[in-house]
Amino acid sequence: EDQVTQSPEALRLQEGESSSLNCSYTVSGLRGLFWYRQDPGKGPEFLFTLYSAGEEKEKERLKATLTKKESFLHITAPKPEDSATYLCAVQEQGGSEKLVFGKGMKLTVNP
Amino acid sequence: NAGVTQTPKFRILKIGQSMTLQCTQDMNHNYMYWYRQDPGMGLKLIYYSVGAGITDKGEVPNGYNVSRSTTEDFPLRLELAAPSQTSVYFCASSYSSTNTEAFFGQGTRLTVV
Repeated sequence: EDQVTQSPEALRLQEGESSSLNCSYTVSGLRGLFWYRQDPGKGPEFLFTLYSAGEEKEKERLKATLTKKESFLHITAPKPEDSATYLCAVQEQGGSEKLVFGKGMKLTVNP
Repeated sequence: NAGVTQTPKFRILKIGQSMTLQCTQDMNHNYMYWYRQDPGMGLKLIYYSVGAGITDKGEVPNGYNVSRSTTEDFPLRLELAAPSQTSVYFCASSYSSTNTEAFFGQGTRLTVV
């Protein structure tokens, strides 16, 4: 069973059409949940870290929220330059340094 | 400000050959990581290091070796390359595990034929 599941796998939006990406996770204790953005041919770029349920963080048109079972990445009035693959990862309590990544969600924003 | 630098960017290896993927960071980060990314799959941790002289296995270490003689460098060694090692490899670094804003390199695309 995957510990991190992202949905949908791909999403096409029109410029200005707001939406949300979902990341559900199953770990016994969450140390942190991370969102990254990855452009084609590039390495992932850090966006947010969330540590506890109820926490929210914002950056430009992106807002990340966290519950005990899932995280949402809300995209408000997206622009074509927001097109990328968005990765979610979790770190489990217990001292392990491992980040478990989801498969990613490819977002395309059409002008 | 270079960040995390990986070399080479692309490489084709024949089955059974060996090579070293280089990774260096200039941010004085203690933690360094090697991941592989296969199409349609999430990033998988191969090895990590919490400081010079200390390394540990990640999720998929078989067929790889690492060393960490300095804070800056964390090379990944592939011995006896196999087609299953065809992948994109990413090196990353972070200041600490509690501050896991990891910075990633640009990746090395490796094909084993």
